[in-house]
Amino acid sequence: EAQVTQNPRYLITVTGKKLTVTCSQNMNHEYMSWYRQDPGLGLRQIYYSMNVEVTDKGDVPEGYKVSRKEKRNFPLILESPSPNQTSLYFCASSFGYSNQPQHFGDGTRLSIL
Amino acid sequence: GQQLNQSPQSMFIQEGEDVSMNCTSSSIFNTWLWYKQDPGEGPVLLIALYKAGELTSNGRLTAQFGITRKDSFLNISASIPSDVGIYFCAGLPGTGNQFYFGTGTSLTVIP
Repeated sequence: EAQVTQNPRYLITVTGKKLTVTCSQNMNHEYMSWYRQDPGLGLRQIYYSMNVEVTDKGDVPEGYKVSRKEKRNFPLILESPSPNQTSLYFCASSFGYSNQPQHFGDGTRLSIL
Repeated sequence: GQQLNQSPQSMFIQEGEDVSMNCTSSSIFNTWLWYKQDPGEGPVLLIALYKAGELTSNGRLTAQFGITRKDSFLNISASIPSDVGIYFCAGLPGTGNQFYFGTGTSLTVIP
């Protein structure tokens, strides 16, 4: 089954404790991206990647890092999480060029205390 | 970043009624997408539009790419309870490689 898998689905942690949210897709997609979803703000892109070893900042990259060492994986790293990063996070992927519709994972709800 | 204005913000309708929502931008977009998000899940693509004026249907859903390329519309006919959820528009500007999302329309269908 074609899917985008995020882990963990839920995480409660404390300020400053580094964390990584993993994202993996099995569709051989070139394009992958991370979004955060906050009430009243919709989905805002954090980072995206056009292909292996190619990453670019989205609209809200501050406080986040990503890497794309393999085509299927695109982890999101919070080196020193802060409470304002409490949010619902989605990973997405698409085939080929960036105008192709993205497939989304089921989300990761992060709470930073 | 780009601003997409999606309206209405929420709708409460009776089962069987038709629904209309729209999305507008201040700049020209080359691609419009419509997604639906159910509680606890990620957005799922409903319709993709790639040409100005394009009208595309998916079952009871119909979406249009506005002629000005600055707006898009989604209509749902004869709504049913499983239409409940949040509907998002997303647009890809003429330049750049990232989609921008609207703030969503929350739809409640009263049986």
